[in-house]
Amino acid sequence: GQSLEQPSEVTAVEGAIVQINCTYQTSGFYGLSWYQQHDGGAPTFLSYNGLDGLEETGRFSSFLSRSDSYGYLLLQELQMKDSASYFCAVRVSGGGKLIFGQGTELSVKP
Amino acid sequence: GAGVSQTPSNKVTEKGKYVELRCDPISGHTALYWYRQSLGQGPEFLIYFQGTGAADDSGLPNDRFFAVRPEGSVSTLKIQRTERGDSAVYLCASSSSGTQGYEQYFGPGTRLTVT
Repeated sequence: GQSLEQPSEVTAVEGAIVQINCTYQTSGFYGLSWYQQHDGGAPTFLSYNGLDGLEETGRFSSFLSRSDSYGYLLLQELQMKDSASYFCAVRVSGGGKLIFGQGTELSVKP
Repeated sequence: GAGVSQTPSNKVTEKGKYVELRCDPISGHTALYWYRQSLGQGPEFLIYFQGTGAADDSGLPNDRFFAVRPEGSVSTLKIQRTERGDSAVYLCASSSSGTQGYEQYFGPGTRLTVT
């Protein structure tokens, strides 16, 4: 079977740092992607880890540990516009099939 | 350039009817994906095309669902004998190739409501 676990909700204040964790159990694993989705909008790609370690893209970083079946998304210098749902997604084959988690709703407060 | 487009944006249909949902991917993207998303859930994989062929249709829930991509560009998701449980947002995504499939570009979705 395939399962991904991430917290359902996280709240943080503007300017802070927040970490959204993702653990997975899947029948195949090629890498872990992160997507952001604002209410009523389309998911947008944030980051991808195909190998263990940290990937940094501006205010966002993502980490992967294959041995622990674990990854996280780190958002720094939070802004109000970062309030959205964040999904981890496992790439389960060499093609593009992604299995998504249920999402973490991030609320950024002033 | 233009992103992924989907039509219609909203579709209301009666139980038992047939519907078609259309997706126009980013020009030049060879890989195309269909997902559906229910409220409060993550996108659920349905099918993946590489070019004209379905590379993976393992997510299609039953034989009422079918998708085509005859010329390797536009795709149509077809649902026969719709049921109320089919109500969801149907998302289409594309990537430059299957090997770049970790980075997918999503369309705005079609909200399907079956009454």
